[in-house]
Amino acid sequence: DVKVTQSSRYLVKRTGEKVFLECVQDMDHENMFWYRQDPGLGLRLIYFSYDVKMKEKGDIPEGYSVSREKKERFSLILESASTNQTSMYLCASRPPRGAGELFFGEGSRLTVL
Amino acid sequence: AQSVTQLDSQVPVFEEAPVELRCNYSSSVSVYLFWYVQYPNQGLQLLLKYLSGSTLVESINGFEAEFNKSQTSFHLRKPSVHISDTAEYFCAVNRGGNQFYFGTGTSLTVIP
Repeated sequence: DVKVTQSSRYLVKRTGEKVFLECVQDMDHENMFWYRQDPGLGLRLIYFSYDVKMKEKGDIPEGYSVSREKKERFSLILESASTNQTSMYLCASRPPRGAGELFFGEGSRLTVL
Repeated sequence: AQSVTQLDSQVPVFEEAPVELRCNYSSSVSVYLFWYVQYPNQGLQLLLKYLSGSTLVESINGFEAEFNKSQTSFHLRKPSVHISDTAEYFCAVNRGGNQFYFGTGTSLTVIP
């Protein structure tokens, strides 16, 4: 069975802290994504990666960075967390070619105080 | 840019009644269409998808959606809902690359 695992389901951080959200997939997918989900706004793409060490900005990259050192792992980094980054963060992966769906992790709910 | 509209943000329905969740998209080019379901405090799970072929697609738990190219719609329907169908439902559109466009979601509440 396919699996996308997000290491932290719930996090509480303070303003200014550095935050790491980790995501691992076991499907050998080239493409990995980080989305942010907020009520009434749906899912918004932060960054995606189509290969190791490759990344592309999504719709809302400001305040975030990413790291893809290994094919199976994609990390989202908040260099200095702010209260407006309180949200649900969803990681997803996808096969490299053709039509195919996104496979999502369980989500990481981040609260910044 | 592509846009996806889910007209109803909240849909309350009584148990065993039929339901339709509406989804319209803006593109006139070939698209792939998806419905995802999200249960409380969980990630999104694929419910069904249209990639090609028959315009009517079905899920294993009784949902179906029909791709209507002329109306650029992909409405989700179920003839008889259960309490366990209470969840958030998201429509998504993809044109084959890595960009997915999501609607803002419809919260389905099934009332006993």
